[in-house]
Amino acid sequence: EVRLVESGGGLIQPGGSLRLSCAASGFTVSTNYMSWVRQAPGKGLEWVSTFYSDGSTYYADSVKGRFTISRDNSKNTLSLQMNSLRAEDTAVYYCARTTMTTVPIWGQGTLVTVSA
Amino acid sequence: DIQMTQSPSALSASVGDRVIITCRASQSISNYLNWYQQKPGKAPKLLIYAASSLQSGVPSRFSGSGSGTDFTLTISILQREDFATYYCQQSYSTPLTFGGGTKVEIK
Repeated sequence: EVRLVESGGGLIQPGGSLRLSCAASGFTVSTNYMSWVRQAPGKGLEWVSTFYSDGSTYYADSVKGRFTISRDNSKNTLSLQMNSLRAEDTAVYYCARTTMTTVPIWGQGTLVTVSA
Repeated sequence: DIQMTQSPSALSASVGDRVIITCRASQSISNYLNWYQQKPGKAPKLLIYAASSLQSGVPSRFSGSGSGTDFTLTISILQREDFATYYCQQSYSTPLTFGGGTKVEIK
């Protein structure tokens, strides 16, 4: 079964750090485009970052310099290291396979709450 | 960045109605357009990919069409379980961008 499962969300104070993980099954992360997308409470969907199969990475301006996307080919996982967190980073974070020529796959999401 | 303009932002409809949602891209995206359904507290569910391909397990009352800049999602006979928010998303280029959503409510 093709599946993505996120973990690592939680409550964190402003300025803190959190690492999200996304475990893939049924396909290979390294040969696909993999992205993080977030959704703030009551808001729409917002792209955060993409890790391309060639190793290149891209970030939304709102997270550039604070977030780092990475992948572990041996574990078939994608990660998002989030530093200097702000209240406006509060959202459900989704991991997704976003390769142009394949069927998109999304995880169930993990909630990140940034609050004192 | 490619802007995705979705309309309407909300609509009220009755069970059995035909519903059409449109999505316009600010530049050509070929057929790299996906449609999602989202219910409160749930992850987005893929309905249509590559503009017109029905995702496995999705009822055939959902259909998508279009290419280039103009796309539509049609629900041929609205069912009670279809009341939700719908999003379009382009996968043509980074950054991935989404329409603002269409909330389908019960009339």
